[in-house]
Amino acid sequence: GAVVSQHPSRVICKSGTSVKIECRSLDFQATTMFWYRQFPKQSLMLMATSNEGSKATYEQGVEKDKFLINHASLTLSTLTVTSAHPEDSSFYICSASLTGNSGYTFGSGTRLTVV
Amino acid sequence: AQRVTQPEKLLSVFKGAPVELKCNYSYSGSPELFWYVQYSRQRLQLLLRHISRESIKGFTADLNKGETSFHLKKPFAQEEDSAMYYCALREDNFNKFYFGSGTKLNVKP
Repeated sequence: GAVVSQHPSRVICKSGTSVKIECRSLDFQATTMFWYRQFPKQSLMLMATSNEGSKATYEQGVEKDKFLINHASLTLSTLTVTSAHPEDSSFYICSASLTGNSGYTFGSGTRLTVV
Repeated sequence: AQRVTQPEKLLSVFKGAPVELKCNYSYSGSPELFWYVQYSRQRLQLLLRHISRESIKGFTADLNKGETSFHLKKPFAQEEDSAMYYCALREDNFNKFYFGSGTKLNVKP
């Protein structure tokens, strides 16, 4: 089955630094990947749609300069949280789907803590 | 605008009892509806989708366009069904998923 690998699973960084999170489709090609954010005891909030070879599409209210998305290949999308602040601490999850398959596979998520 | 609503944050039932997790949606087009499940310490995984009309692990869900609902049902709950359940909607044109706030199902022995 389709597998999405997300790395790292946990990261702690200092305020003001940047953190990169990787999302890889291991056994399939994904032209589109999605990035979500999940606050404690809340649902997943779609942040942006990552499109291979083109700019990401951000949801309303999500700062594109703060959450940089790069989808340079059909198997890799990265989310970089720039100049991180404690309020950026959250659980970030990526997802992708097989072409023609309406179901989506999710990564295991990244717990970001900014201190 | 809230596209997917799950009114119950927590649902507790006894083993063997019927269970229904409610999901209502708001969308003017032709959405696809899904149920995802997240077991403790595991990633989100697809449980079922309305276009497949399938039954997975005894769960079924019927899309009711008149009531804009996609409730998840199981006639006899099992302890291993305890998990977080998320209803999700995919817009027809934009390929985006929107999730409800989730319902935690607790099946007691």
